[in-house]
This record gives sequence, structure tokens and C-alpha cells, in this order.
Amino acid sequence: DAKTTQPPSMDCAEGRAANLPCNHSTISGNEYVYWYRQIHSQGPQYIIHGLKNNETNEMASLIITEDRKSSTLILPHATLRDTAVYYCIVRASGTYKYIFGTGTRLKVLA
Amino acid sequence: NAGVTQTPKFQVLKTGQSMTLQCAQDMNHNSMYWYRQDPGMGLRLIYYSASEGTTDKGEVPNGYNVSRLNKREFSLRLESAAPSQTSVYFCASTYPRTYEQYFGPGTRLTVT
Repeated sequence: DAKTTQPPSMDCAEGRAANLPCNHSTISGNEYVYWYRQIHSQGPQYIIHGLKNNETNEMASLIITEDRKSSTLILPHATLRDTAVYYCIVRASGTYKYIFGTGTRLKVLA
Repeated sequence: NAGVTQTPKFQVLKTGQSMTLQCAQDMNHNSMYWYRQDPGMGLRLIYYSASEGTTDKGEVPNGYNVSRLNKREFSLRLESAAPSQTSVYFCASTYPRTYEQYFGPGTRLTVT
């Protein structure tokens, strides 16, 4: 399984875009990138995932570099409720296992 | 549609006691998971079950056993609790087409 590296913490001003980077330089061709977030001590919540192409949904956008060695999760207009720990995870196609790292603690500032 | 439910929400055990954490999902998902999360850490996979009748070890299976009772239920048993097992335990299930994981609210376990 590919390993991911994320900065331990980031701040973002309310209303601004939050750009959370993730490095997955050992990713292989059949591995997907997933993003989850965990607010307080609740169970993690799925945000978005992708393989090669950029993806967008109602919560966020996922930008994956052409070489797939890194990705960025974008929250376009961060609110105080987006304060959470964000996890970037790589999952191989056809496998059931997720390996969570320690994530990025995002604090949205008023 | 309750999603993933876990019982109990909180539990305090003495060293050496046993207990079973219960998890159920009503989304008809095939695969289910147990994770633990220690303070300030990410989640670590204990066991998972790809489908009814199968279970596999994750990263940290020692000290735990699991039972996939049926498609809905996946339980985690601590036979002889140790202080190192003090943690928050999360159960999850996976939507088959996209492998999105849905998590329960967690069980906060303290072993003294």
C-alpha cells in the first residue's frame, strides 16, 4: 500500500479556499486517492475520491497531479464547521483495506 | 436508515476483564471494519470482513477477536483487556461501488 504524507496542521481564514496537500509518491497505477475528515471525536466522514482525473462534488474538489504523486483537496469557501482533521488515504483497486495516517488538522479562523 | 450503529458508547473495564463491542449496519454492505484510534493518532485497522463468513487481520489484531455474525453485524471481542487497549473504537462498512466507508459514532473504552 502506498504511504501518504500530509502536513500536521494548517490554518485558513473563513470564507477563503482551504488547500490541503497530500504526497503519495509511491502510488501505483491501480491505487485510488480518498479523502476523509474527522470532526472532534466523531467517526470519519467521506469527502471525495479519485484515480487520475480531477473530481468535484458538493463538498470539495480533488486535484491529482499528472504523475499522480501528489494531490490537493480544495474546500472552496471554508467555514468554521470545516475545522477538522483531514485524512488522505490511498487504496488499491480490489482491496478492502484503508490505511489511515495522522492527517492534517485544519483550523478555520473567524 | 440508522447507518452504522455501535454499542456501548462508553465502557470502563478492569485489567483482565472481557467484553464484546457490537456493530450493526442497515445499508446492506458486504464489507465491515474495526478500527482503533488512540489520542492524537490516526485510525488503525484491527480486523475487517470483506463479506459474510470471512474475516482478516488488519494492522493491530493482537488481543482481539471478531465475529461476522451475519451480513448486518460485526462484533469485536477483547478476551482479557489491558490498559494498552484504552482507545476509541470505530466500526465502519463500505459501499461496494465506490468503497466509501461509513463510520459509526465510536465506543470509548477505558481499561484501568
